[in-house]
This record gives sequence, structure tokens and C-alpha cells, in this order.
Amino acid sequence: AQSVTQPDIHITVSEGASLELRCNYSYGATPYLFWYVQSPGQGLQLLLKYFSGDTLVQGIKGFEAEFKRSQSSFNLRKPSVHWSDAAEYFCAVGAGSSNTGKLIFGQGTTLQVKP
Amino acid sequence: DADVTQTPRNRITKTGKRIMLECSQTKGHDRMYWYRQDPGLGLRLIYYSFDVKDINKGEISDGYSVSRQAQAKFSLSLESAIPNQTALYFCATSDSQGSGYYGYTFGSGTRLTVV
Repeated sequence: AQSVTQPDIHITVSEGASLELRCNYSYGATPYLFWYVQSPGQGLQLLLKYFSGDTLVQGIKGFEAEFKRSQSSFNLRKPSVHWSDAAEYFCAVGAGSSNTGKLIFGQGTTLQVKP
Repeated sequence: DADVTQTPRNRITKTGKRIMLECSQTKGHDRMYWYRQDPGLGLRLIYYSFDVKDINKGEISDGYSVSRQAQAKFSLSLESAIPNQTALYFCATSDSQGSGYYGYTFGSGTRLTVV
């Protein structure tokens, strides 16, 4: 069965520092992978997605993620964090055939940004 | 107006009461989903619907029911609410054109507390 693990429940970084949020997935075939961000009191917003092709994908707000099949990972990165990036981040994998549109989410990582 | 609207935003109800959470969308998407978010567990799929006549159970459907009144409306009901159904509930939509994972849009969520 497909699953997603985000090993870090909570991360604190200083503003301007680099960021990497980890995501590991379990899936037999080539996965559809996503990163979403949830600001307080808001719904989830798509940051970026990987379906195929170039393993380094660029997203909104200066985020990028790299798909590494050998490590079953899809880590999210940002070179310089801004205070407005404080939020909860979710990694997700498409479940079953792409026709269903079902997503399986990780547990989430809460990002705190220190001034 | 938001593309995906959930009502109410917040609700406190008593154990044993019936409650309905409503979701409406203006995206024109045919697929709609109900997810539940709990701290440390991420989002879990309750029910999903491909169209008015096609409704499917997700991974945690026990204790819940749904109704797809129209393409744009998808309601989630708790027939007899219990305290462990206290959670943040999200409605989401997606487009069936091409891959079902394109165009996933979330509502802002309904925070439900069962006392």
C-alpha cells in the first residue's frame, strides 16, 4: 500500500537560512508526488508536483523539490526562508491509478521561522 | 468568492447529534473529496465522488455519510457525532481532464468539535 512519511514533525530555522523538509514515500510504480502548504486558518495550497521527467521541479514561492527514486524521497527545499514561510507543509502521493485523483498525505511538518 | 466554500467554518456540537458539513464549488470540477485532518496524522480520505451518481468510500468512512446533491455540492454528515470525530475537515475538488491529480483545490476547512 502507498504511504508517505515526513520524519520531522517540527522544524525551526532562522530567517534567511536554507530549508529542507524531508519526505519519503512507498509506492510500487512511478509516483505522482506533491507538496502542499497550509497557512494558519487556511486550506492547502499546492506548492509543486512531480509526475515525470526532470527530477528537480520548481514550484511557487521559491520552493523546489527533488525526486530521488533510489532513496524513495521527494524533499522540499528553499535557499532562503522568509518569515511568511512559517506554516505546515504536507507531502502527498497519488494513490492508485491517476484516474481516481486520490491523494495520500504525510503527517505534516510545522515550520517555525525565527527572526 | 472562494472557488471551494465550506460551511460552517466552525461548529461545536454535542455527542449523539446529527450534523452536516457542506461544500460547494465554482470550479466546474466533477470530482469532490472529503478529508479529515488530525494533528500528527495528516489528512485522511473519508469519501470521494466522481459525479452525482458515483460515490466511494475512503480509508476512514465509518461513522460518516455523504450526499452529492449536484455537481457543485458535496455534503458530509455525521449521523451521531462522537468526540473522536473532533477534527478539521476539508473538502477538495479536482478535474477529471487528463490526470485526476491536476487542479486539486481545497476549501478553507470546517473545524468541528464534538463535546
